[in-house]
Amino acid sequence: QSALTQPASVSGSPGQSITISCTGTSSDVGGYNYVSWYQQHPGKAPKLMIYDVSNRPSGVSNRFSGSKSGNTASLTISGLQAEDEADYYCSSYTSSVVFGGGTKLTVL
Amino acid sequence: QVQLVQSGAEVKKPGASVKVSCKASGYTFTSYGISWVRQAPGQGLEWMGWISAYNGNTNYAQKLQGRVTMTTDTSTSTAYMELRSLRSDDTAVYYCARDILPLAAAGDSFDYWGQGTLVTVSS
Repeated sequence: QSALTQPASVSGSPGQSITISCTGTSSDVGGYNYVSWYQQHPGKAPKLMIYDVSNRPSGVSNRFSGSKSGNTASLTISGLQAEDEADYYCSSYTSSVVFGGGTKLTVL
Repeated sequence: QVQLVQSGAEVKKPGASVKVSCKASGYTFTSYGISWVRQAPGQGLEWMGWISAYNGNTNYAQKLQGRVTMTTDTSTSTAYMELRSLRSDDTAVYYCARDILPLAAAGDSFDYWGQGTLVTVSS
């Protein structure tokens, strides 16, 4: 199973909105509603931000939202804040879990 | 509160084996599966496999089949990951992570993570 495709980097200014894409195939992202998004700060463990395409775990800010269209899932962060600067990974599940390559978000 | 506490850093020689532990607390251990995810230095996340703490069922990444074994000890609420025939490219931080949903048939999303265990493979 190949890794999902994410942009290497995205950036935005405080208060703006950004979207990170995650492209797979009809065998993973497009075929199932099992897309998750994780935030990882340097030297820290990943943190689950979105699961099952658009569900937020308890305690995650509603500034984070997820969606999917065809074989591409998206994570949108609205009202960007300095603490959102981190690496973001998508994942999809079919018979195993596959991660995207990660996207570095820079808050300008 | 839910916690996953992993064992300490390891240094191993090529060809050796390593066994990392992950002690769970704050929830009913047998109700949730545990996945193991690794991250090589400066690289992305790689899923290694999943084990049900309820019945011991496992699902390993194809790439690691034959080299990895995941087990649980329900008496101590601890999950273990053993990796054999270590190579230099197995150098990574290894994480355990809990399924977000109880009694899932397989792990797909992980809401609690251990602190990570650095395994260094070097001659």
